[in-house]
Amino acid sequence: GAGVSQSPSNKVTEKGKDVELRCDPISGHTALYWYRQRLGQGLEFLIYFQGNSAPDKSGLPSDRFSAERTGESVSTLTIQRTQQEDSAVYLCASSATGTAYYEQYFGPGTRLTVT
Amino acid sequence: AQTVTQSQPEMSVQEAETVTLSCTYDTSENNYYLFWYKQPPSRQMILVIRQEAYKQQNATENRFSVNFQKAAKSFSLKISDSQLGDTAMYFCALGSGGSNYKLTFGKGTLLTVNP
Repeated sequence: GAGVSQSPSNKVTEKGKDVELRCDPISGHTALYWYRQRLGQGLEFLIYFQGNSAPDKSGLPSDRFSAERTGESVSTLTIQRTQQEDSAVYLCASSATGTAYYEQYFGPGTRLTVT
Repeated sequence: AQTVTQSQPEMSVQEAETVTLSCTYDTSENNYYLFWYKQPPSRQMILVIRQEAYKQQNATENRFSVNFQKAAKSFSLKISDSQLGDTAMYFCALGSGGSNYKLTFGKGTLLTVNP
């Protein structure tokens, strides 16, 4: 079946502009995660959605970052007034439910470059 | 706070040989999960193997096995009969506590399999 998809694959933007990144999880997966991967680093947790529960936003680095998810479907990660330090690969993952017992399936990521 | 440390930024191995990647972690929880993820140049994170902390038996998946030393908080990955397709970044990750969906990743080890 279809895996997790993300769009765009690559995004180049000018400093100060807003960007929106999209994630389509695997159908039926109630849990969705966003991570950031800076060059040469591991993944940093950003935000977690589980069904209709309030999201865990504890990993968002600043109030310029926000994310939404409609039900158990598509999620968008928005970065306002982008800065050069926002340059990274943004990875989305989904799992059947939100515990570490269940495998997280990752998308291919969006590489964001802020010039 | 929980941490994951991978002390080998890069490793190389000859095709068909065996290689071991190291990972140490720290958590105050008793119930947790440990993972090894593979990230090839395509950026797609793929789960290689998973270990539940309450299980004493080391997990194995075909050519991949782990050496889980709970007291030492060590979780190494052994790849047997290395193949060219094993060339990738390998990340060790920990999910623990009430929010065990929030995985903590190490910085990764770049493994190159040489022909």
